[in-house]
Amino acid sequence: GNSVTQMEGPVTLSEEAFLTINCTYTATGYPSLFWYVQYPGEGLQLLLKATKADDKGSNKGFEATYRKETTSFHLEKGSVQVSDSAVYFCALSTSGAGSYQLTFGKGTKLSVIP
Amino acid sequence: NAGVTQTPKFQVLKTGQSMTLQCAQDMNHNSMYWYRQDPGMGLRLIYYSASEGTTDKGEVPNGYNVSRLNKREFSLRLESAAPSQTSVYFCASSVLDTYEQYFGPGTRLTVT
Repeated sequence: GNSVTQMEGPVTLSEEAFLTINCTYTATGYPSLFWYVQYPGEGLQLLLKATKADDKGSNKGFEATYRKETTSFHLEKGSVQVSDSAVYFCALSTSGAGSYQLTFGKGTKLSVIP
Repeated sequence: NAGVTQTPKFQVLKTGQSMTLQCAQDMNHNSMYWYRQDPGMGLRLIYYSASEGTTDKGEVPNGYNVSRLNKREFSLRLESAAPSQTSVYFCASSVLDTYEQYFGPGTRLTVT
């Protein structure tokens, strides 16, 4: 079956530090990969996505590259801000029989301090 | 354009009571989903509806029922609430042929 493993949190960084959140996956077929972000008290929002190997998704200074050889999709940002404090979820989706289900990792809580 | 809306935002139930969580989307999406979010567990799919008129079980369907009332609305019913169903519930929707899901703000349910 499909599964997503992401690094345990919480992660605490100072403003302007470099961020990496590791994500690896197990899937049958050719999954699409996603990072979602959940700000306090809100629902999940799509942050970025990649639909095939070697694609790079990017948004709001965040980026992640779909690495098929290492089955990874690590999230990076060069300089974090206090406003980036949130929970980040890695997810994958495969199609089959009309099903478009997402499989999520457990989430990584990021706190950025001034 | 409100996106995905959920009601209520908060609910407290006693064990054995029933309730229905409502979800509606105004994006003309075909597929809708119900998830629960528990600490350290990420999001787990309860039920989904790939298109109007169809519903299917997800990873954790026991204790829940769903109704796809029309293309816009997808409700989740707890017939006899249990403390193990204390959680935050999220509804989501997506266009049938893409994987990008749009989430509502969530319902925080406590069962005592």
